[in-house]
Amino acid sequence: QKEVEQNSGPLSVPEGAIASLNCTYSDRGSQSFFWYRQYSGKSPELIMFIYSNGDKEDGRFTAQLNKASQYVSLLIRDSQPSDSATYLCAVNGGGGADGLTFGKGTHLIIQP
Amino acid sequence: KAGVTQTPRYLIKTRGQQVTLSCSPISGHRSVSWYQQTPGQGLQFLFEYFSETQRNKGNFPGRFSGRQFSNSRSEMNVSTLELGDSALYLCASSPGDGDSPLHFGNGTRLTVT
Repeated sequence: QKEVEQNSGPLSVPEGAIASLNCTYSDRGSQSFFWYRQYSGKSPELIMFIYSNGDKEDGRFTAQLNKASQYVSLLIRDSQPSDSATYLCAVNGGGGADGLTFGKGTHLIIQP
Repeated sequence: KAGVTQTPRYLIKTRGQQVTLSCSPISGHRSVSWYQQTPGQGLQFLFEYFSETQRNKGNFPGRFSGRQFSNSRSEMNVSTLELGDSALYLCASSPGDGDSPLHFGNGTRLTVT
């Protein structure tokens, strides 16, 4: 059974600070990794994806992957109140097998 | 480019009834996946269709079924509805190469009474 674990939170971060969201996964064969943002009552929205070990930056967002530790993280720099949402980590075993496995999400609150 | 379109947005059904949900993927996307989202279980994979064939299936009972048409549009059917089927049903599309990100529709909120 593939599992993706996230701290449910809430994670409270002051406006302007760095928010750090973490995710671990159980399947060592996982190949691709995604972060989605979901506002209350809305559908998930893709934020970042990463396939290789290391960091990937896109604007205020940085995804970090460490396959040896089976660990993925998302950093949000200069956090804004509009970043307040639930962040979902998703993992794919590769080749589309079994679909994406999602964590239950971390509820992030950015305090003005 | 238009996003993923799901209809209807809201549904209220009674136990024992059946329901059909519809999904139109992003133009050019050949893969359509369906997910169920509940507060307790989070997002759970139902199945994926690619080129009119079910390519992957999650751990849901046979009451949950789907299909995909030649234009990549997909439908999902739930028969003999149970109270526990109340959830947000999300459709997502992708090019279908296996590693591309999924793009989600707005979902269908199903309430079973």
